[in-house]
Amino acid sequence: QVKLQQWGAGLLKPSETLSLTCAVDGGSFSGYYWSWIRQPPGKGLEWIGEISHNEDPNYNPFLANRATISVGASKSQFSLWLSSVTAADTAVYYCARGGSRWYIDLWGQGTLVAVSS
Amino acid sequence: SAELTQDPAVSVALGQTVRITCQGDSLRSYYTSWYQQRPGQAPILVLYGKNNRPSGIPDRFSGSSSGNTASLTITGAQAEDEADYYCNSRDSRGNHVLFGGGTKLTVL
Repeated sequence: QVKLQQWGAGLLKPSETLSLTCAVDGGSFSGYYWSWIRQPPGKGLEWIGEISHNEDPNYNPFLANRATISVGASKSQFSLWLSSVTAADTAVYYCARGGSRWYIDLWGQGTLVAVSS
Repeated sequence: SAELTQDPAVSVALGQTVRITCQGDSLRSYYTSWYQQRPGQAPILVLYGKNNRPSGIPDRFSGSSSGNTASLTITGAQAEDEADYYCNSRDSRGNHVLFGGGTKLTVL
């Protein structure tokens, strides 16, 4: 059974850079779209961006100037960096797999990232 | 506009049928997928494509679409269906992923 295992720092100070990594455990990396999605406490889902094995990253226009998504050298991991974080970036961050461009069929367990001075 | 709009909350009596809707210009061109999220858990996919259910999703979940509106219908709602439901598609150019604001379903 394919699983997504994610990890990264859970507490940041304002202006620091958020860094999360997601590993694909038990399945192929190629042929899918790999996304980062976040959910502020008590609020809805917000797409941050995606990457596939053969396309350039694609970002939410509202976060494009701060977000970077890349694939690891092993081609079984992908990472998110979000620069200059503020309290508004406090959220549960999910990595996810797009079965196609049109749906997301697998989610990581989520990582709560809090930004506080 | 690049938005998907959902009603914030809907309620249904146990065993009855409920429809959750999602509106957006891009839905005229693209399929909608639907996710269920229970408190403290990651979302799970319940419908995708024209009307497809992933393995393990009960057949009481079905989908439909007309014009700029997509619908998720639960026929014979159960207590375990109480959750938040999110719709998902892409913007009008098919570039960026969109999520609706979510609908909180209460089963009475």
